[in-house]
Amino acid sequence: DTGVSQDPRHKITKRGQNVTFRCDPISEHNRLYWYRQTLGQGPEFLTYFQNEAQLEKSRLLSDRFSAERPKGSFSTLEIQRTEQGDSAMYLCASSLVSSGDYNEQFFGPGTRLTVL
Amino acid sequence: AQKVTQAQTEISVVEKEDVTLDCVYETRDTTYYLFWYKQPPSGELVFLIRRNSFDEQNEISGRYSWNFQKSTSSFNFTITASQVVDSAVYFCALSGLFGNEKLTFGTGTRLTIIP
Repeated sequence: DTGVSQDPRHKITKRGQNVTFRCDPISEHNRLYWYRQTLGQGPEFLTYFQNEAQLEKSRLLSDRFSAERPKGSFSTLEIQRTEQGDSAMYLCASSLVSSGDYNEQFFGPGTRLTVL
Repeated sequence: AQKVTQAQTEISVVEKEDVTLDCVYETRDTTYYLFWYKQPPSGELVFLIRRNSFDEQNEISGRYSWNFQKSTSSFNFTITASQVVDSAVYFCALSGLFGNEKLTFGTGTRLTIIP
């Protein structure tokens, strides 16, 4: 039984470059969430998917950010024209949500992004 | 809007002492869930407990216990006989239901257990 995995674990990039992160959820989970965590803060919600549908996006998700979950399995988060303020840990979580039932979110190890 | 406040930024205790981490929340939802997560130095968030707003019974799991009081909007976490392995950042979180399951986290409490 594998947990949530994320790739890469670390990414260093120069300002203005594009980066893409991948998240593989727990296989039977239909919900997938992206969060961002900066130093000394709790994670902040970015967006989430129910299967392949993106149902909500936070105001934190500017036009430079795009997320996909094309087949309802893995998800990618792309940041275009990175800025130093994008430096953070990007966390992915998954859960199983069904009618009348609620289950906790399980988190991956995160991708730490450093923008120089 | 939902909000979670963890007023204790850092706590240090000597090993084997008991320690309580405070969490106060705000929500307009009548049904909601409360959580505690642990983030050890490795960085991965580890789920500890989920509590439904309808269930105010306290819960004990080994050395961990949780005190949920709806009247004061608090969900406090106590570690009994602390151990060095308990050193981590602990986050309290809140979510709604019915399409509002995203987690709202507090800023965390860094707990250091001194051997």
